[in-house]
Amino acid sequence: DIQLTQSPSSLSSSVGDRVTITCRASQTIATNLCWYQQRPGKAPKLLIYSASNLQSGVPSRFSGSGSGTHFTLTISGLQPEDFATYYCRHTYSSPPTFGQGTKVEVK
Amino acid sequence: DVRLEESGGGLVQPGGSLTLSCAVSGFTITNYRMNWVRQAPGSGLEWISDIPSTGDYLSYADSVRGRFTISRDSAKNSLYLHMNSLRVEDTAVYYCASGRTLDYWGQGTLVTVSS
Repeated sequence: DIQLTQSPSSLSSSVGDRVTITCRASQTIATNLCWYQQRPGKAPKLLIYSASNLQSGVPSRFSGSGSGTHFTLTISGLQPEDFATYYCRHTYSSPPTFGQGTKVEVK
Repeated sequence: DVRLEESGGGLVQPGGSLTLSCAVSGFTITNYRMNWVRQAPGSGLEWISDIPSTGDYLSYADSVRGRFTISRDSAKNSLYLHMNSLRVEDTAVYYCASGRTLDYWGQGTLVTVSS
């Protein structure tokens, strides 16, 4: 199985900050990677697919990059509604595993 | 509008069985891969099963293979998860989600396995 490792596991930031979350795959997955946001008590929401494509309706302050084994999610100008947990997930093969999550908290 | 609504969760004893349902509106489930994903209390997300649009090759996580079965009913436009031999560690919120990229999700249904 392909393992995804996110870093950091948690971070503290302020409104307006630029935030970067990293996801590393245990083997190459090309650009078969998605990013999700999960607010407390809510279902996850797709933000980015195919590593860098913004899902319809998602604000442009979210962006994704990377290929192979190294991927990043960047939030440019953190907003109050962005304090949440973020997960990466690959779709390269079965099982399509998730990273362990990165919690973005208020500083 | 797209809507996915899970039901069927509840309290069940270890070794028991439960069937979850996911009623879908806004698209035809036989045109998309459909998935079940779960989240144990205080933990991350775990993909557990999917059924492709063709319906011909069902996939399962090792943690549930042989105990859980995914199925669908095209007439009801609904997805199901039949869970047998439930364990305490199966306690989680279970979500249905659509597509290879999990672009739409339901609100989840809680399954608690406890004696």
